[in-house]
Amino acid sequence: AQKVTQAQTEISVVEKEDVTLDCVYETRDTTYYLFWYKQPPSGELVFLIRRNSFDEQNEISGRYSWNFQKSTSSFNFTITASQVVDSAVYFCALSEKSGGGADGLTFGKGTHLIIQP
Amino acid sequence: DAGVIQSPRHEVTEMGQEVTLRCKPISGHNSLFWYRQTMMRGLELLIYFNNNVPIDDSGMPEDRFSAKMPNASFSTLKIQPSEPRDSAVYFCASSLRQAMNTEAFFGQGTRLTVV
Repeated sequence: AQKVTQAQTEISVVEKEDVTLDCVYETRDTTYYLFWYKQPPSGELVFLIRRNSFDEQNEISGRYSWNFQKSTSSFNFTITASQVVDSAVYFCALSEKSGGGADGLTFGKGTHLIIQP
Repeated sequence: DAGVIQSPRHEVTEMGQEVTLRCKPISGHNSLFWYRQTMMRGLELLIYFNNNVPIDDSGMPEDRFSAKMPNASFSTLKIQPSEPRDSAVYFCASSLRQAMNTEAFFGQGTRLTVV
């Protein structure tokens, strides 16, 4: 069975600090996909990134970066120079590939990130 | 594209009443998902469809819940009869099913309160 663990329930930092959100996953499949979503106070879920299990390259997008390590089953998310607008709940999610198509996501419990001015 | 559209945004109903939530996926997407979000259980997958066919409904909590997708542009999630413990935010999402697993795009959710 697949499982996603986000051990940090809540993180509070001061603006401009760097912050890393941890994500550890469990799966028996060799082919799987990892995602990060952001849920701002308005409630919608916003897609941030998708990674497949064969691509361990780290990715950087502006102030956001992701570190995927299969050896430790982790897919961590770092925000550099955090801003108040980054305040949100962040979800890590996993999808196993079966039948060659899109399957549902298993979400972690989320990390509530608070950026204080 | 307008994105995934859900209606209503908020629904308050009395216990025992039937509730119908609606979803219009992104045009061209052929996978549709219903999720439920609660404080206790987080985000859970209820059911998903590929090409309008239900593929996995193992997340549907009980027989009071049912979902349909009569065509590629419309889906409903029905709860009959509703109970207070069904109170949650229900999200619909859609994606394009292909060889590579693509990301799902979520609607804004329906906040359901059963009193």
